[in-house]
Amino acid sequence: GAVVSQHPSWVICKSGTSVKIECRSLDFQATTMFWYRQFPKQSLMLMATSNEGSKATYEQGVEKDKFLINHASLTLSTLTVTSAHPEDSSFYICSARGDEREAFFGQGTRLTVV
Amino acid sequence: AQSVTQPDIHITVSEGASLELRCNYSYGATPYLFWYVQSPGQGLQLLLKYFSGDTLVQGIKGFEAEFKRSQSSFNLRKPSVHWSDAAEYFCAVGGSGNTPLVFGKGTRLSVIA
Repeated sequence: GAVVSQHPSWVICKSGTSVKIECRSLDFQATTMFWYRQFPKQSLMLMATSNEGSKATYEQGVEKDKFLINHASLTLSTLTVTSAHPEDSSFYICSARGDEREAFFGQGTRLTVV
Repeated sequence: AQSVTQPDIHITVSEGASLELRCNYSYGATPYLFWYVQSPGQGLQLLLKYFSGDTLVQGIKGFEAEFKRSQSSFNLRKPSVHWSDAAEYFCAVGGSGNTPLVFGKGTRLSVIA
C-alpha cells in the first residue's frame, strides 16, 4: 500500500507555544487529507477534512483558529496546534487519500503539553 | 448518518481459541469497510478491507471478515488467536472521494495463556 509519513512521532511543548505536525504522502498524490484526534483508550475522532488548495472543513466542536490546517500541495498537509494547553495533549493521526478508494494513515503524533 | 457500532468493549480469549469481533454499521450508500489494529502508543495497521465482490475477505495475520449486507455487519474472525494479537481493534466505514472514515469505539482484545 501507499505510504504516509507523519512527523514528528512525538513532541513535548510548553503551554502557550505552537506545534506543527506534518503529514506527507510519499508515493502518491493526496487530493484529500483527514486529521483525527485520539484520546487515551478512545476511538479516533475526525477533526477536519482538507482538500489540496482549499480551506479545511472542520467538524463541529473543533476550533479552527486553534487547529490550523494547511494543505498547500498534493503531498503535504500540516496541522498546527496554536497556543497549546495541557488539554490539547493527545494522539493526532493524519490520513491521506488519492485516486484509490482506500485512505492511508500516518503513524500518529503523540503531543504532550506541559 | 454514518455510524459504526462495536458492541464489545473488551474481550478476553485464551491463546489458541477462536475469535470473533463484532461490527455493525449504518451507511447510506455502498460502504467501504475496514478493520484496523492498534497496539498501545502506536498507529493503525490495516488488517483487511472490503470494497465489493466476494463478501468473505482475507487479511493479514490470519484474520478474515465477512460482509453481510442484510445484517449490516462486518465481523472479524480468526480461528486461532496468538498472544501477540492482544491489541485494540477498530472497525471503520467510509465511502469514496472526500468521505472520511467513521470509526467504531474499538474492542480491546486480551489474550490469556
